[in-house]
Amino acid sequence: DAGVIQSPRHEVTEMGQEVTLRCKPISGHDYLFWYRQTMMRGLELLIYFNNNVPIDDSGMPEDRFSAKMPNASFSTLKIQPSEPRDSAVYFCASSLSGGEETQYFGPGTRLLVL
Amino acid sequence: ILNVEQSPQSLHVQEGDSTNFTCSFPSSNFYALHWYRWETAKSPEALFVMTLNGDEKKKGRISATLNTKEGYSYLYIKGSQPEDSATYLCAFVSGNTGKLIFGQGTTLQVKP
Repeated sequence: DAGVIQSPRHEVTEMGQEVTLRCKPISGHDYLFWYRQTMMRGLELLIYFNNNVPIDDSGMPEDRFSAKMPNASFSTLKIQPSEPRDSAVYFCASSLSGGEETQYFGPGTRLLVL
Repeated sequence: ILNVEQSPQSLHVQEGDSTNFTCSFPSSNFYALHWYRWETAKSPEALFVMTLNGDEKKKGRISATLNTKEGYSYLYIKGSQPEDSATYLCAFVSGNTGKLIFGQGTTLQVKP
């Protein structure tokens, strides 16, 4: 398996623009997670899905952020409108099942909002 | 708010030294404790998942112990090598939620 795939790897955009990050989890994994990494807050969970259903979105910063998982092999994280403080590395991870299973991380998307 | 603390924040050792660092987590409603290794410009890679009090895991020169009653886990590296330089993250799982709460990490630098 190719592992968790994320695109784009780098994104530079201007404030106010819409940004869409994409993730393909490892085939057969039931859980998908979106994380954000910043210097100030470290690695924080934004939202996670179980069998394509959002379970906990309490980490989503505000209404400008939304995530979807239309099928088992694809998820998006959208920021609209983007702001400079959204600049961070966004990781997607997947796991076979719940908290006792290893999470496998994608390479991340480095987002810079000017 | 569930708090996961790691110490020290950073560590500099010489090649060949053995080292250890600590992860502290809430002792109630424990489900699992994860350790990850995170190299600069890469993504976190899993080292261990620990679920039972008293559990010990080992992978090569790296090992970990778990005390769920007092809420801590130790990660040990024996005979550190420069390639061990990375940030080591622990993550706590409360209840069977699938939700990992990460500590801020311990950054290890091993000098040749």
